[in-house]
Amino acid sequence: AQSVTQLGSHVSVSEGALVLLRCNYSSSVPPYLFWYVQYPNQGLQLLLKYTSAATLVKGINGFEAEFKKSETSFHLTKPSAHMSDAAEYFCAVSDPNTGNQFYFGTGTSLTVIP
Amino acid sequence: DTGVSQNPRHKITKRGQNVTFRCDPISEHNRLYWYRQTLGQGPEFLTYFQNEAQLEKSRLLSDRFSAERPKGSFSTLEIQRTEQGDSAMYLCASSLWRAPTNEKLFFGSGTQLSVL
Repeated sequence: AQSVTQLGSHVSVSEGALVLLRCNYSSSVPPYLFWYVQYPNQGLQLLLKYTSAATLVKGINGFEAEFKKSETSFHLTKPSAHMSDAAEYFCAVSDPNTGNQFYFGTGTSLTVIP
Repeated sequence: DTGVSQNPRHKITKRGQNVTFRCDPISEHNRLYWYRQTLGQGPEFLTYFQNEAQLEKSRLLSDRFSAERPKGSFSTLEIQRTEQGDSAMYLCASSLWRAPTNEKLFFGSGTQLSVL
């Protein structure tokens, strides 16, 4: 069974500061991992995905995430926050053997302070 | 590629009424998913289709919920005898699945259901 835990339901950073959103996963098999972003009144959009290739994954809008098996983590980072990054961020996991379900975390709301 | 389209965007209904939502996936996508999202929570899996076949349904899903994808294209989600607890955002997503991996979901903007 797969699941993800997102630590911190709300994160606030100053504009230009480092963004770090945490995600830990639980999986009985090597997982596929994803970060999705949801802007107000919009659907979820894929930011980046890990599918067992490079452990450091680069996504859109300057975000990246690193898969660390030893820590069962897939934290999302961005070196310098922009006001437009304010949104809800969801980590998700799927079983690459079946690909049937994506299990989402409870989300982290990112606020960027000017 | 016009994206995943969901209708209506908002639905207000009285408790006990039936409601139906529609999802039009990206045209070449063979998988279609329904999720439910409440405030402060991540999307919760309800069911999914591969082409016209409904392959999995969440055990949490009440018998009042039914979904169809009759021609393997658009899908409908019906909720019978709605309850206030059904109030949520209902999300549809689609993907192009090629064995062995399902790498990416494309989401619609959702249908916000309010049951009074």
